[in-house]
Amino acid sequence: DTAVSQTPKYLVTQMGNDKSIKCEQNLGHDTMYWYKQDSKKFLKIMFSYNNKELIINETVPNRFSPKSPDKAHLNLHINSLELGDSAVYFCASSPTLTDTQYFGPGTRLTVL
Amino acid sequence: AQRVTQPEKLLSVFKGAPVELKCNYSYSGSPELFWYVQYSRQRLQLLLRHISRESIKGFTADLNKGETSFHLKKPFAQEEDSAMYYCALSDRGSTLGRLYFGRGTQLTVWP
Repeated sequence: DTAVSQTPKYLVTQMGNDKSIKCEQNLGHDTMYWYKQDSKKFLKIMFSYNNKELIINETVPNRFSPKSPDKAHLNLHINSLELGDSAVYFCASSPTLTDTQYFGPGTRLTVL
Repeated sequence: AQRVTQPEKLLSVFKGAPVELKCNYSYSGSPELFWYVQYSRQRLQLLLRHISRESIKGFTADLNKGETSFHLKKPFAQEEDSAMYYCALSDRGSTLGRLYFGRGTQLTVWP
């Protein structure tokens, strides 16, 4: 099944903890992204990587650190979690930087 | 600066009625416009993009550069069309691949 997958689907954790969300795509795409969807359903890009190289870093706190071990993976590590980090995080990929983006199922992060 | 505006947060219509979801954009470059849809508890998926000029699930959208609009239309709404719809813009002249999303319109189609 070719797709963009994310793990975990749900993540509940305490303030101050460090957590990671993993993303994998088996579509052979060169570009991967992380988006944040807030409680009002607003979607905003956080990062994009092209061939493992960081392209976009949108004024995201440096507690958020993306890591791309290879073209098929883009993981998101979050340090010192805060209440405001609670959101749904979507991973996406596209063949190239200017192509249609395909989204993962999302990870719902709840920080207590 | 808000590049994509979806003025309606919520939109309700009855089954069989026409539906139009509005999208206006503001961008000085060469924009490419998309509509993405998110059904309940499902992933975001592409519905259509303006350069392909196709109709998907009965939906069409025409890019009007004069009015800077890319409204999504369907002549006869179905209950299964109930979902969150996002208009998005990408700069075709850019190599960054950044997609700017509108705030979304939640469409409810009543039986």
